Amino acid sequence: DGGITQSPKYLFRKEGQNVTLSCEQNLNHDAMYWYRQDPGQGLRLIYYSQIVNDFQKGDIAEGYSVSREKKESFPLTVTSAQKNPTAFYLCASKTQYVSNQPQHFGDGTRLSIL
Amino acid sequence: QKEVEQNSGPLSVPEGAIASLNCTYSDRGSQSFFWYRQYSGKSPELIMSIYSNGDKEDGRFTAQLNKASQYVSLLIRDSQPSDSATYLCAVRNAGNMLTFGGGTRLMVKP
Repeated sequence: DGGITQSPKYLFRKEGQNVTLSCEQNLNHDAMYWYRQDPGQGLRLIYYSQIVNDFQKGDIAEGYSVSREKKESFPLTVTSAQKNPTAFYLCASKTQYVSNQPQHFGDGTRLSIL
Repeated sequence: QKEVEQNSGPLSVPEGAIASLNCTYSDRGSQSFFWYRQYSGKSPELIMSIYSNGDKEDGRFTAQLNKASQYVSLLIRDSQPSDSATYLCAVRNAGNMLTFGGGTRLMVKP
């Protein structure tokens, strides 16, 4: 089945530690996105990538980094510079060159501080 | 700052009633509009999309778009307890970027 796979489902970070969240899709989508959701809030865009080897900062990129070495994969690293990383992280993807296509989401990773 | 506004709720309706969820947006250049349903602890799932002024119906769901007034709404007919969730409005602007509202929490009481 085609879809977006995020792992792990739950992740705990120690102070000063970098952690990496995985996002893989087999939908042949060009564009991929990372969002952060805090309790009771909407989604805020961290980074996005519209093509391999290229990515752009979203609204809240500070303390995060990404790479896009393969079309299928868009990992997100939460660095030690992100002082408040506890949140629900959602990866999404969509077809880039067909108009009006929606984004589809993975199941999310819940990150907490130890 | 391009904004998408929703009443956070909770909106409480009795089972079988019509639930009406509203969303306003600030960017007049917005082109596509989406409603996502998000159950507690889960990821958002797309339930409706609308691109032209007017109504679009899909089963118990109707999306309504009024670009002149910059609002989009979602009606849920014959509301069921299983419809209890947070509904996120998302708006795509001319730059092809999606902005999400904060969501409206809907509670359908048996």
